[in-house]
Amino acid sequence: GAGVSQSPRYKVAKRGQDVALRCDPISGHVSLFWYQQALGQGPEFLTYFQNEAQLDKSGLPSDRFFAERPEGSVSTLKIQRTQQEDSAVYLCASSLHPVRVNEQFFGPGTRLTVL
Amino acid sequence: AQRVTQPEKLLSVFKGAPVELKCNYSYSGSPELFWYVQYSRQRLQLLLRHISRESIKGFTADLNKGETSFHLKKPFAQEEDSAMYYCALSSKATSGSRLTFGEGTQLTVNP
Repeated sequence: GAGVSQSPRYKVAKRGQDVALRCDPISGHVSLFWYQQALGQGPEFLTYFQNEAQLDKSGLPSDRFFAERPEGSVSTLKIQRTQQEDSAVYLCASSLHPVRVNEQFFGPGTRLTVL
Repeated sequence: AQRVTQPEKLLSVFKGAPVELKCNYSYSGSPELFWYVQYSRQRLQLLLRHISRESIKGFTADLNKGETSFHLKKPFAQEEDSAMYYCALSSKATSGSRLTFGEGTQLTVNP
């Protein structure tokens, strides 16, 4: 079956540009997570959705970061006015059940480079 | 606040030698601990979780609550074990059971 997919796989943006990163979770998975992974670091939590509801956005580094999942399936992470420090791999993960601690299935990531 | 520490960024062993990747955590509640692995050019994937108490690809990990550790061990390393390994912590108390990761250990198994 299809796993979590993300697009684009690579994105180069000039400083100040807006970018949108897409995540297609595994069908039927209720929970969706976004993580940011800087070079040489482990992934860091950004935000969490349960179906279409964004229940936790405490990890978003600034108000330039915005995420949505309007129909409870596909999610988009938008970064406005990108800065060089936004350069990282952005990982999306989904899991089946919102309450029990489930295995999270990760996408391949989007590598964002801000020049 | 929860935190995961992996003290070794790089670990190199020879094929057939034992390997131990260290992981320590801090969390006041009842955490669930995981090891995720990322092979070259592949996505991050679950290797094992402490509640399963199983051995995957010859790897085991025991949760030691007294020492707040969850070290990953394998008695005889293989070249195909070369990868980046991340220890991660989750809790039902946190929103959606989000994961807190360590910085990772790059394991290289030499022939």
